[in-house]
Amino acid sequence: GENVEQHPSTLSVQEGDSAVIKCTYSDSASNYFPWYKQELGKGPQLIIDIRSNVGEKKDQRIAVTLNKTAKHFSLHITETQPEDSAVYFCAATTNFGNEKLTFGTGTRLTIIP
Amino acid sequence: EAGVVQSPRYKIIEKKQPVAFWCNPISGHNTLYWYLQNLGQGPELLIRYENEEAVDDSQLPKDRFSAERLKGVDSTLKIQPAELGDSAVYLCASSTGLAYNEQFFGPGTRLTVL
Repeated sequence: GENVEQHPSTLSVQEGDSAVIKCTYSDSASNYFPWYKQELGKGPQLIIDIRSNVGEKKDQRIAVTLNKTAKHFSLHITETQPEDSAVYFCAATTNFGNEKLTFGTGTRLTIIP
Repeated sequence: EAGVVQSPRYKIIEKKQPVAFWCNPISGHNTLYWYLQNLGQGPELLIRYENEEAVDDSQLPKDRFSAERLKGVDSTLKIQPAELGDSAVYLCASSTGLAYNEQFFGPGTRLTVL
């Protein structure tokens, strides 16, 4: 089955700087890669996703890149703000997202004011 | 639009006791998922429903866990008997089932087994 590895496990950045979180996956059949943000006491919330036929996607301060050959994808957050502090999870799945999501182990991002 | 509703939000029980979690998905969402999230880990799928049919329960420990979605809307996840290692957050999610559609997660039920 699919295996997703995520690094780093913790990340602290100064407010206004950029943050990068990296993930690798094992199943070449995976075709959908969402990123979730989880705040304390809440369920994960989708922040951005990318399909396997796209190399990069951007939404305001958030961007995701995908390298299918290397089987890795990354989340980039620019101009970080205190409200970006949370745990971020990458995930991968086959069948265009209808089946189970295989999650990474999460990155705790702390923005230092 | 209301999100995924779960209850209770917190549950503390003693080992060997039964426990049940309830989930109400977003209206119109045919696909419902139950995930288990251990502390410091990502969620892991327990079971996935398409309407009232369990289409993926390969990760559900069937000796003690059971689930149902009788009318294809609400769902209940049960553990009987609970073990210490079952302490975790149980998340329910739903989606339309269409390609590339988002899985919306509820707030979860935090279970503590003493």
